[in-house]
Amino acid sequence: NAGVMQNPRHLVRRRGQEARLRCSPMKGHSHVYWYRQLPEEGLKFMVYLQKENIIDESGMPKERFSAEFPKEGPSILRIQQVVRGDSAAYFCASSPMTGELSYEQYFGPGTRLTVT
Amino acid sequence: SQKIEQNSEALNIQEGKTATLTCNYTNYSPAYLQWYRQDPGRGPVFLLLIRENEKEKRKERLKVTFDTTLKQSLFHITASQPADSATYLCALDSWGKFQFGAGTQVVVTP
Repeated sequence: NAGVMQNPRHLVRRRGQEARLRCSPMKGHSHVYWYRQLPEEGLKFMVYLQKENIIDESGMPKERFSAEFPKEGPSILRIQQVVRGDSAAYFCASSPMTGELSYEQYFGPGTRLTVT
Repeated sequence: SQKIEQNSEALNIQEGKTATLTCNYTNYSPAYLQWYRQDPGRGPVFLLLIRENEKEKRKERLKVTFDTTLKQSLFHITASQPADSATYLCALDSWGKFQFGAGTQVVVTP
């Protein structure tokens, strides 16, 4: 059973360009989470999605950032008009379900975004 | 606002000793608390989950306690090994939204 896959692993963008980060959850998992991690800092929750639904996006910046998890295909985190402050590691995690019960999250290897 | 605090100073410990990490939280009433391990350049890996009505949970050389009165969880690594060197994160689950602490780095020397 393949784990959570993220691509690309490394992404370099110039200021003003768009960054698209992809995440394929583990087979059978319908819940996806995106986190951002800066050096020496903890994981910051960004957004929680189920298939075709955004459940909680309270951690997403109001502008330039968007996320989707379509019925078919991977989850996408899109950052438009990137700025240097967007440089970070972005992790995706998936979970079989959540809500009343808590389930562990399975993390991908992350995408390291560098904005030049 | 909700806060999760872990000791930011690295914990240096000799092989064979017990490492004890602390996770304190405020303005939270979590039903569950989880611990993860993160190695440099990698995503976190789930270790243990403890529920609010559980005082203690064990898994091999790992032990977690959860005191909802003190709003604190302790994470113990017994008989530590150099391979246990990593950063350990605690996470609180609030109906699907996870908040992570900044983590504590553990360095086990032979």
